[in-house]
Amino acid sequence: QSALTQPASLSGSPGQSITISCTGTSSDVGAYNFVSWYQQYPGKAPKVMIYDVSIRPSGISNRFSGSKSGNTASLTISGLQAEDEADYYCTSYTTSSPRWVFGGGTKLTVL
Amino acid sequence: QVQLQESGPGLVKPSETLSLTCSVSGGSISKYYWSWIRQPPGKGLEWIGYIYYSGTTNYNPSLESRVTISVDTSKNQFSLRLSSVTAADTAVYYCARYVAGPTAPATHFGYWGHGVLVTVSS
Repeated sequence: QSALTQPASLSGSPGQSITISCTGTSSDVGAYNFVSWYQQYPGKAPKVMIYDVSIRPSGISNRFSGSKSGNTASLTISGLQAEDEADYYCTSYTTSSPRWVFGGGTKLTVL
Repeated sequence: QVQLQESGPGLVKPSETLSLTCSVSGGSISKYYWSWIRQPPGKGLEWIGYIYYSGTTNYNPSLESRVTISVDTSKNQFSLRLSSVTAADTAVYYCARYVAGPTAPATHFGYWGHGVLVTVSS
């Protein structure tokens, strides 16, 4: 069982917007603004899409955005494209051990 | 551009020790935090632990009794050792480098190796 809870799967049509939630506790997501999101294609290493809740690294499309409310962080992908079909993982720093926890991952399907 | 490359045996026998090395190129290992993360086949990511270039470590309690992460700054490498392995340790093992955010020196995993599949089997 993962420390952070994500929906196992989501789907959307091209052009739509979807939001992936990442629910933790007051010891992780709720305690720090050190939530990051990773995109992973099959057989590839994860790639950071959002860090520190809402910051996009250089080169990441502005279709990706992040936010947080209380113990739940969210990744929103607007204008869905076929290339967005991948697994998405959230992670957060925690007040205790383990110091970093991941969500179980969300498989995004673009219909 | 910083690049990370994992290396080590792809097959380890049960009860033996898994040993992997992460070679860093395109930048120095100094002044950064480095991590090992694993992913069992078809499953999610699990943080194993981190090491600062000075040698300070922090491990996942679920693995702490079996794991050692070390750094060799002269070789620009850091390593993972996981003892007494079982089939449950079969996974793709990634090395990664933390990247700073606006308010802290290590807030996310900005650089990743390609990963290496380690299978535990006799």
